[in-house]
Amino acid sequence: NAGVMQNPRHLVRRRGQEARLRCSPMKGHSHVYWYRQLPEEGLKFMVYLQKENIIDESGMPKERFSAEFPKEGPSILRIQQVVRGDSAAYFCASSLSGEVDTQYFGPGTRLTVL
Amino acid sequence: AQSVTQLGSHVSVSEGALVLLRCNYSSSVPPYLFWYVQYPNQGLQLLLKYTSAATLVKGINGFEAEFKKSETSFHLTKPSAHMSDAAEYFCAVRVAGGSYIPTFGRGTSLIVHP
Repeated sequence: NAGVMQNPRHLVRRRGQEARLRCSPMKGHSHVYWYRQLPEEGLKFMVYLQKENIIDESGMPKERFSAEFPKEGPSILRIQQVVRGDSAAYFCASSLSGEVDTQYFGPGTRLTVL
Repeated sequence: AQSVTQLGSHVSVSEGALVLLRCNYSSSVPPYLFWYVQYPNQGLQLLLKYTSAATLVKGINGFEAEFKKSETSFHLTKPSAHMSDAAEYFCAVRVAGGSYIPTFGRGTSLIVHP
């Protein structure tokens, strides 16, 4: 029973490029959450999605960031025109419907912007 | 608004000694409280959670935490530290009946000496 999978694990981009981070939830989970972790800080919520729906994007920066969770395939967090301040670890978590307090986290994608 | 404060960014103990990681919360309504552990280069793993049932909550790996409303605390303890307990620990809170998204503390790094 595979856990939450994220790829790539490490991603290096130059300023101005696009970063695409993928998250495959645990089998049977229909809810996905994205968090960002800056060095020596806790996780900050970014966005909460169900299949084909954005439920809560209150933590997403207004520009350059977008997320989707299509009917088929993984959830994608997309960062356009990356800047150095986007360098962080991005974690995805998933849960069963109605069990938001039991989130299972993936290993994260560490984004480095040169 | 909800928040958590983790006292001490680093805690150092000897193997076999008591582990005590402190967490104080701020919430205007009854909270749900969580402790997560993060091993190097991995995602967060839920250790235990308090959701208004018993105030003493037992989790995995021998950890437990006690909800003390009068002290607004939810400290994490383990009677005897193992080398394998060395990791980053995060306390999180969410408001019961409110936002389903937890707010995380900045984390406490547990160092275990032989």
